[in-house]
Amino acid sequence: DQQVKQNSPSLSVQEGRISILNCDYTNSMFDYFLWYKKYPAEGPTFLISISSIKDKNEDGRFTVFLNKSAKHLSLHIVPSQPGDSAVYFCAARNYNNNDMRFGAGTRLTVKP
Amino acid sequence: DGGITQSPKYLFRKEGQNVTLSCEQNLNHDAMYWYRQDPGQGLRLIYYSQIVNDFQKGDIAEGYSVSREKKESFPLTVTSAQKNPTAFYLCASNAGWQSEQFFGPGTRLTVL
Repeated sequence: DQQVKQNSPSLSVQEGRISILNCDYTNSMFDYFLWYKKYPAEGPTFLISISSIKDKNEDGRFTVFLNKSAKHLSLHIVPSQPGDSAVYFCAARNYNNNDMRFGAGTRLTVKP
Repeated sequence: DGGITQSPKYLFRKEGQNVTLSCEQNLNHDAMYWYRQDPGQGLRLIYYSQIVNDFQKGDIAEGYSVSREKKESFPLTVTSAQKNPTAFYLCASNAGWQSEQFFGPGTRLTVL
């Protein structure tokens, strides 16, 4: 039972354009959501997070949007740069027991 | 330097042998986690621990065991009962409610 879903395994965008990565979740106990970036054979690194009491959080080129009624969040990267090419994981924390679940990841390729 | 260390980076074992993966953190975090990554499947939760001497099963705990005798350490044993142990294993920790997860560099286990 996958509680956090990233339905797009890959995304390719042109440098300078916007990248939009999507994530859906099913568990209403999730109250904190995070995005991570990962390179092969390395641990994920934290990018940005959002609490369930907010609907938007922005940090530089990265913005996360949360739509609680739809149980959907998205990560916007603008403008996209070739160095953003990596696998992006969406994660969600269950406030009841503090466990964290991850989506399957989306591989972003930003072409020069 | 605060962080999470996992050793070794690469580990080879013969089928039928138990193997223990090390995870140490000096971040003073209460919560620690073990994930497994397989191609195209994202990060799947094996075990997590909210506090010393306590741990809970994640989604794929069968064939694994853990201990949490010290706050800094959360070793994972891959037993011979784990049917497909070859994978990339990631350890993580966080400071508690609504805090980001920090990851170690990972251990790639190959069972021959």
